[in-house]
Amino acid sequence: ILNVEQSPQSLHVQEGDSTNFTCSFPSSNFYALHWYRWETAKSPEALFVMTLNGDEKKKGRISATLNTKEGYSYLYIKGSQPEDSATYLCALKAAGNKLTFGGGTRVLVKP
Amino acid sequence: ETGVTQSPTHLIKTRGQQVTLRCSSQSGHNTVSWYQQALGQGPQFIFQYYREEENGRGNFPPRFSGLQFPNYSSELNVNALELDDSALYLCASSLDTLAGETQYFGPGTRLLVL
Repeated sequence: ILNVEQSPQSLHVQEGDSTNFTCSFPSSNFYALHWYRWETAKSPEALFVMTLNGDEKKKGRISATLNTKEGYSYLYIKGSQPEDSATYLCALKAAGNKLTFGGGTRVLVKP
Repeated sequence: ETGVTQSPTHLIKTRGQQVTLRCSSQSGHNTVSWYQQALGQGPQFIFQYYREEENGRGNFPPRFSGLQFPNYSSELNVNALELDDSALYLCASSLDTLAGETQYFGPGTRLLVL
């Protein structure tokens, strides 16, 4: 059973501040790491798919890095805005066809 | 919007009943995956369908079954409902089954079993 962990479970950020959080996963049998943003009452929105060690991806003020050798990925939000408030999910694609999700990091940006 | 739709949005059933949830995949996508999200947890993989065949299954009992149709839409059927089946059920479609292929999620069906 794969164990994908995200920390912290939740965090409060002041508007304008930057923040980051972690996704940890077993490094064996790594195929890809997916990041999603999930706002309440909406569909999870795909942010990034990362496959190579050292990958860095960026979308606006959000970026992510990947270390497959040590089994972690960081997601960064620069200059947080209230619209960044959401749950951020990472999901590991290992052998087989499923995504194994972490429990998510709930981000609340305070104006 | 991802173009993935699910119906119904909400459903209330009683223990022992059967339920069918539906998912229309994004145009051009031949792969549909189903997930269960219980409160406070990340989504858990139920199974995946690729070109109308089951293509992987998670740790769910046989009373969870599915179908994929020639137009690649899909159904999730749950028999003999239990209270613990209360959850949000998400489907996701993708172009293919490759590891780097993005899965696009629908808004989910919230099932309450009383």
